[in-house]
Amino acid sequence: SAVISQKPSRDICQRGTSLTIQCQVDSQVTMMFWYRQQPGQSLTLIATANQGSEATYESGFVIDKFPISRPNLTFSTLTVSNMSPEDSSIYLCSAGYGYTFGSGTRLTVV
Amino acid sequence: DAKTTQPPSMDCAEGRAANLPCNHSTISGNEYVYWYRQIHSQGPQYIIHGLKNNETNEMASLIITEDRKSSTLILPHATLRDTAVYYCIVRVSNSGNTPLVFGKGTRLSVIA
Repeated sequence: SAVISQKPSRDICQRGTSLTIQCQVDSQVTMMFWYRQQPGQSLTLIATANQGSEATYESGFVIDKFPISRPNLTFSTLTVSNMSPEDSSIYLCSAGYGYTFGSGTRLTVV
Repeated sequence: DAKTTQPPSMDCAEGRAANLPCNHSTISGNEYVYWYRQIHSQGPQYIIHGLKNNETNEMASLIITEDRKSSTLILPHATLRDTAVYYCIVRVSNSGNTPLVFGKGTRLSVIA
């Protein structure tokens, strides 16, 4: 199974600012997936990132708020833009045949 | 939307088998059943998956009914470290190119 390194592991950010989360996979993968987990809730898919094309966003998530980059087959970033306290969540990436997950980024917006 | 139904919570005594049920009555013939768990504040961890036959690995066993409309994840000797939220997920491809859609899962509490 793929091994995913995700960073930062946590951050506290001021409202109105942006945070970029990085995921590095130890093998080449076609698709990478980004999820949000709000406090006490299950995981919600934000978008699917395919190398060489624009990410596909789920209903309720837009590119202006959550821009995603996928520059190669082992790396992706998710940016949470113009943050508000409602964006406080754990953000996770996933990839690979075994659907390995990163360890998550715990974001607190104050 | 998730295509599975799980009880919101279960308790299990340490050392006993934990049997976690999952209903997936609308499952299609080419859809797999996957199980993941999420220990507090960590990323989900893959446990096991199957299509038709029962499966067993070092972590658990997966029992799928003959009509494939339900399944049971069995942790044979639960320990305190098995306390987690367990997710049953149905999905088409086994290739890694389609996302996992999570339901609410079952919160398993293993009690000493």
